[in-house]
Amino acid sequence: DAKTTQPNSMESNEEEPVHLPCNHSTISGTDYIHWYRQLPSQGPEYVIHGLTSNVNNRMASLAIAEDRKSSTLILHRATLRDAAVYYCILRGNSGGSNYKLTFGKGTLLTVNP
Amino acid sequence: DAGVIQSPRHEVTEMGQEVTLRCKPISGHNSLFWYRQTMMRGLELLIYFNNNVPIDDSGMPEDRFSAKMPNASFSTLKIQPSEPRDSAVYFCASSLVREATEAFFGQGTRLTVV
Repeated sequence: DAKTTQPNSMESNEEEPVHLPCNHSTISGTDYIHWYRQLPSQGPEYVIHGLTSNVNNRMASLAIAEDRKSSTLILHRATLRDAAVYYCILRGNSGGSNYKLTFGKGTLLTVNP
Repeated sequence: DAGVIQSPRHEVTEMGQEVTLRCKPISGHNSLFWYRQTMMRGLELLIYFNNNVPIDDSGMPEDRFSAKMPNASFSTLKIQPSEPRDSAVYFCASSLVREATEAFFGQGTRLTVV
């Protein structure tokens, strides 16, 4: 399975931007980069995904390095509700065994008021 | 759609008993995943199905665990016999089998084996 590396924890202040890094040096050409987060006592929820280009949605932005060996999830203005564990996951082509979502340890984001 | 529905939400059982966890995926989704989460081991993928067929069950811990998907709208994860070390939160997730789609997770079943 393709592996990702994330810091164990990060801290931010409310209403400030947060940049969550992820390294994935063994990424293959067909792997998509997915981000999920897990709020306390809830199941994981999808945040964003991308392949090569930077992506924006209502929750966050995803910046992907040109060589695709790293990416950064950007929360533009952190709120207390963004405190969660954030997972960076590589997901392969649909239908095969590498299509599965394999979670690592993720980054625990703490947001200070 | 009500999302992925898991039942029961909480289950307490005695060691040695059979436990069955249930999952109803989002209508139209054809890929289903079972996960187990503990503090020690994090989120572990147990098994995943495409179009009701198990594709990868390499995460199933041992023969006491079995999973079935008899149709597109229902899946079960069974533990027989259960042991205290099976205590965990079990999540079910579903998605479309298509490039770059998101998976939707249920609220989980918290299993306690005493």
